[in-house]
Parts: sequence; structure tokens; C-alpha cells
Amino acid sequence: DGGITQSPKYLFRKEGQNVTLSCEQNLNHDAMYWYRQDPGQGLRLIYYSQIVNDFQKGDIAEGYSVSREKKESFPLTVTSAQKNPTAFYLCASSIANPRFRAGANTEAFFGQGTRLTVV
Amino acid sequence: AQSVTQLDSQVPVFEEAPVELRCNYSSSVSVYLFWYVQYPNQGLQLLLKYLSGSTLVKSINGFEAEFNKSQTSFHLRKPSVHISDTAEYFCAVLSGSARQLTFGSGTQLTVLP
Repeated sequence: DGGITQSPKYLFRKEGQNVTLSCEQNLNHDAMYWYRQDPGQGLRLIYYSQIVNDFQKGDIAEGYSVSREKKESFPLTVTSAQKNPTAFYLCASSIANPRFRAGANTEAFFGQGTRLTVV
Repeated sequence: AQSVTQLDSQVPVFEEAPVELRCNYSSSVSVYLFWYVQYPNQGLQLLLKYLSGSTLVKSINGFEAEFNKSQTSFHLRKPSVHISDTAEYFCAVLSGSARQLTFGSGTQLTVLP
């Protein structure tokens, strides 16, 4: 079955540690995204990538890093520079910008999320 | 720049009553609009979308939303809600010039027995 998989579902981090969240998709989507979700704040974009070996900062990129070495994978590293990392992290994928592919499915497909807690 | 405003953070409603969740967007160009639903500790699932054509779009579970260009709105409605509709609902916009989805802050719908 095609889909997008995040792992692990729950992750605990000690202060000062870097941790990496995994996101894999087999939908053949060009674009992938990382969002952070905090109560009452909706989803905020951390990083996104429209194509392999290219990615762009979103609204809250400080303290995070990503890579896009393969089309199907977009891991997110939460570094020790992120001062308040406890949150629910969501990965998503979609086809490339729809203005280049009019009429195609444009929605983003989401993983089940990773809940990161700093202990 | 694009932005999305969901005016109501919490909407309690009794079972079988109608509900409307409001969404307004800001974009100077043509847009694609989406409603997503999120159940606790899960990812987001697409509920319905507007890309072009008919301004009224419907989901398979009875929700509908109407794109109103003059009011820049995309409100979500259901004539009769069920307990199982309890969830958080997110409105999202993708404009023709943007490269990522922008989400509203979400509306928690709680259906009461």
C-alpha cells in the first residue's frame, strides 16, 4: 500500500542531544514537508523540499536540519540548538507545485506523527 | 503571502445539530483550499478540497464546504453531526505562487451527547 511512514511514534530526548525523526514515502511524490504542532498553534512549517537534493527553510527552521538525498526520504534532525523541542511532528508529501500540473491531485498526505518529549 | 484564519478555536455542539466551522484566507492570487481532520495523536486526513469548478464541494461523510471568492472564505458545514465527528479540523490554502501549504490554527469540534 502506498503511504507515508513516520518513525518512531514516540521519542524521548535528553537535553543537549540531537535526535533524528524518520519520514519515508512510497507515493512517488516530489515534495515533502515537516511541520511542528503545538496546542492552539496549528501546524507550523519547519522545512520543505520540492526535489531531491534541495530544501528550503519554513517559518520556524532554527534548531532543525534536514536532508533530501533520496526522493522517498526526508529525515528531520532536532538539534540541541532547538530550545523548546517538545512537540508533535508531522511529515507530509505531495506532488510538485500544482501550477505546473493543473488538474492533478494537489493535497498533501500526512504521516501519523512523532511525539517528541525532552526529559 | 498567504494566510489562513480559523476564527473559532473550540466549537461544542450537541449530537444531530448542524455545525459550521469558519475559515477565511488571504491571498492575492488564485488558490486551492483544503479541509483536513485530525483525531487524537494521529496525522491529518484530507476531508475535502476545492481546486476549481463548482464552488460547493462535499465529502463522503456528510461534510461540505463552499468557496466564496468575494468573501475569501471556505467554511465547513455539516447539517447533522455525530459523536464520531469529534476531532480537530484544519483549513489550509495553497496559492498558485506559493510552494507550500499554509494551515490555520485549527478548530476543535466536540460533539456532545
